[in-house]
Amino acid sequence: KQEVTQIPAALSVPEGENLVLNCSFTDSAIYNLQWFRQDPGKGLTSLLLIQSSQREQTSGRLNASLDKSSGRSTLYIAASQPGDSATYLCAVRPRGSSNTGKLIFGQGTTLQVKP
Amino acid sequence: EPEVTQTPSHQVTQMGQEVILRCVPISNHLYFYWYRQILGQKVEFLVSFYNNEISEKSEIFDDQFSVERPDGSNFTLKIRSTKLEDSAMYFCASIGGTYEQYFGPGTRLTVT
Repeated sequence: KQEVTQIPAALSVPEGENLVLNCSFTDSAIYNLQWFRQDPGKGLTSLLLIQSSQREQTSGRLNASLDKSSGRSTLYIAASQPGDSATYLCAVRPRGSSNTGKLIFGQGTTLQVKP
Repeated sequence: EPEVTQTPSHQVTQMGQEVILRCVPISNHLYFYWYRQILGQKVEFLVSFYNNEISEKSEIFDDQFSVERPDGSNFTLKIRSTKLEDSAMYFCASIGGTYEQYFGPGTRLTVT
């Protein structure tokens, strides 16, 4: 059974710092991995999607990497800003006989960027 | 930019009552999903829907739950007899050709 874990659970950094969020998954048989942002009491905003054949994806100050064989992904945020404060969720789409596109989520990393 | 919409944003109901949560997925998407997030817990998959039928459901999605696509735009989740433990944020999502999953803003369901 696929399990997704995110470390750390919470992170507080000063503005301007570069940071890395970690995501690990137990089964390397995945179609893709998606990073989301969730603001308190709000929905999930998709940040980056990495297909299983890809190693990384970039969007602005965000860079996500994928090492499928070791079951790890990282989300790198450059030059952090207070507006980046949110919970970041990692989710994998597992391969399998029931390829329905469901996502398995980690518990998230709550980031606070202090001015 | 197209987006998934959900109504209502907040629903309060009494235990044992039926609720219907509504979603309008992105118009050209074909795969639809419901997830839920109990306060402080992970987002959990409930059900996937394709070609007017359920393609997969989780252990959570028991006989009290049902989904329907009553017309070409709406996608609904019905809970027949709500329990206290059904209190959660319910998210609708859909997938397009890029396989990127787009989520709605959620409906907060409070069962009293």
